[in-house]
Amino acid sequence: SQQGEEDPQALSIQEGENATMNCSYKTSINNLQWYRQNSGRGLVHLILIRSNEREKHSGRLRVTLDTSKKSSSLLITASRAADTASYFCATNGRGAQKLVFGQGTRLTINP
Amino acid sequence: SQTIHQWPATLVQPVGSPLSLECTVEGTSNPNLYWYRQAAGRGLQLLFYSVGIGQISSEVPQNLSASRPQDRQFILSSKKLLLSDSGFYLCAWSDQGALQPQHFGDGTRLSIL
Repeated sequence: SQQGEEDPQALSIQEGENATMNCSYKTSINNLQWYRQNSGRGLVHLILIRSNEREKHSGRLRVTLDTSKKSSSLLITASRAADTASYFCATNGRGAQKLVFGQGTRLTINP
Repeated sequence: SQTIHQWPATLVQPVGSPLSLECTVEGTSNPNLYWYRQAAGRGLQLLFYSVGIGQISSEVPQNLSASRPQDRQFILSSKKLLLSDSGFYLCAWSDQGALQPQHFGDGTRLSIL
């Protein structure tokens, strides 16, 4: 299985601090994606990083990908209370049109 | 712009009753369509996906089925619900191709009594 596994399962930090979440996977991938889910809602796509990319930025988000270690990290800088949500990584295998999601990291930003 | 509609938002059904959840997409054509189930505090389990009308791939053997009667309509069904079918069901769409993000509906919370 190429399922992603997030680490930590839960993270609680103070507003203004940076939050780092990690994802590991098992097999070769075409791309890796990060999603956010607010409680009781659908997932929202945040960022996609291709297997030949090492780093990508979008606003306060920074994603890295290390294919040799089969791992990725999501960094949220200058966190806000509104960033409180669950964050999931998802991998897409070569030639596949489906994603495999990890179990998620539950992030709580304390005001 | 593209939108995805999923209903109902909440559903309470007795064990053994049938199920029909509907998902429709607007503003795009020939999308890939997906049904996921999410247990409380857990990740998403892919149930079915479709790359075209009448083309359904089943990921997990169970008493659920899916159909795609129209290009932008995806239906999740069951003839007889089990207690284990409780969960949060999410529909999603993406453009064709491997390097595409998925766009999710707001989900249906299904409780089986």
